Amino acid sequence: EAGVAQSPRYKIIEKRQSVAFWCNPISGHATLYWYQQILGQGPKLLIQFQNNGVVDDSQLPKDRFSAERLKGVDSTLKIQPAKLEDSAVYLCASSLGRFEGSGNTIYFGEGSWLTVV
Amino acid sequence: AQKITQTQPGMFVQEKEAVTLDCTYDTSDPSYGLFWYKQPSSGEMIFLIYQGSYDQQNATEGRYSLNFQKARKSANLVISASQLGDSAMYFCAMREGGGADGLTFGKGTHLIIQP
Repeated sequence: EAGVAQSPRYKIIEKRQSVAFWCNPISGHATLYWYQQILGQGPKLLIQFQNNGVVDDSQLPKDRFSAERLKGVDSTLKIQPAKLEDSAVYLCASSLGRFEGSGNTIYFGEGSWLTVV
Repeated sequence: AQKITQTQPGMFVQEKEAVTLDCTYDTSDPSYGLFWYKQPSSGEMIFLIYQGSYDQQNATEGRYSLNFQKARKSANLVISASQLGDSAMYFCAMREGGGADGLTFGKGTHLIIQP
């Protein structure tokens, strides 16, 4: 079974430029997450989708970050304009849906490494 | 207050020894799940083990086991017979809300296995 796919793997941009990350979740997974992981810290949830609807975006800096999940499958995360403090790994993850137990484990992709200079 | 606390920033362990990684959590939700992930230098978060708040027995997955002490709100990961490939960052995480929410992570423990 294919895992969570992300691209690009690495990106270097100058501050004030824009960048977009793409994610394809595990087939059949209704819930999709974007996490931001700054070096030396644990991942922080940015946004959670259930199918193509937003469940939680309380920690998404909406003045510069946006995300969408059209058709309830793939998702894109955009940053515009980027700041130096946005340098981080952006992890996409997916799970079956909103129910309890180990069957609802969240699986992560390899991440997209962003450096803003 | 932090929801997930990992008090060991780094650990050095001899190969083949058992290692315990500490994790304490804070929640008022009666239904929650606890997860451990391994993150090697490549960056991917690899799921290791899950413990539900209502599970009666401690979870085990191969060389990984979870020492779940509900009253103390601790969920320590035990790795038996450590291997060089176990060297990585290890994160404890919690999901509240009956399975509806995303994970809250601790700051992680950097485990280094020495030959």
